[in-house]
Amino acid sequence: ETGVTQTPRHLVMGMTNKKSLKCEQHLGHNAMYWYKQSAKKPLELMFVYSLEERVENNSVPSRFSPECPNSSHLFLHLHTLQPEDSALYLCASSQDRANQPQHFGDGTRLSIL
Amino acid sequence: GENVGLHLPTLSVQEGDNSIINCAYSNSASDYFIWYKQESGKGPQFIIDIRSNMDKRQGQRVTVLLNKTVKHLSLQIAATQPGDSAVYFCAGRMDSSYKLIFGSGTRLLVRP
Repeated sequence: ETGVTQTPRHLVMGMTNKKSLKCEQHLGHNAMYWYKQSAKKPLELMFVYSLEERVENNSVPSRFSPECPNSSHLFLHLHTLQPEDSALYLCASSQDRANQPQHFGDGTRLSIL
Repeated sequence: GENVGLHLPTLSVQEGDNSIINCAYSNSASDYFIWYKQESGKGPQFIIDIRSNMDKRQGQRVTVLLNKTVKHLSLQIAATQPGDSAVYFCAGRMDSSYKLIFGSGTRLLVRP
């Protein structure tokens, strides 16, 4: 049990579908992250929220839309995805940015048909 | 630019031996480093971290060494066990940013 729970664990969707990934952290952290992990590539940071405000500017296509309603929950809304978006999407949280490690969930395996 | 990498994609060790996994980084402004372990079907699991004002830190069976002169860090695992088989990632952070730059990972295989 990592303290960071992601649902669903697996998701198969067509390119025209709309779906959402959910992340919940039980660690009392105030920063949350979305990462993309593709085969044979390093983890890529997508979005960062601190105290429910989006911080850091990373180039992510608009078909990915994050939402952070409170410091314990993070969503990633998906719309009109492409086959190259198939990957493992990982959520993480941390206490704050000052020399604190990020703790990861087990991810959502996403497959785009 | 920012770059964090690992030296070997795969490392095979005999059970009971010590393992050393290496990582290099390019930006001297990196001030904080983390090692993660990722098992199949799971997310990265925090192992140990080190700040740039330190050159060594020890945990349970693990030691991280940081050499800022040559921009190199290593993870040493003592008495490697089958449960240590996983992919190991180093990650570095620059200038107190939120962003971690991850290496490509080394797969550790433990031979019985």
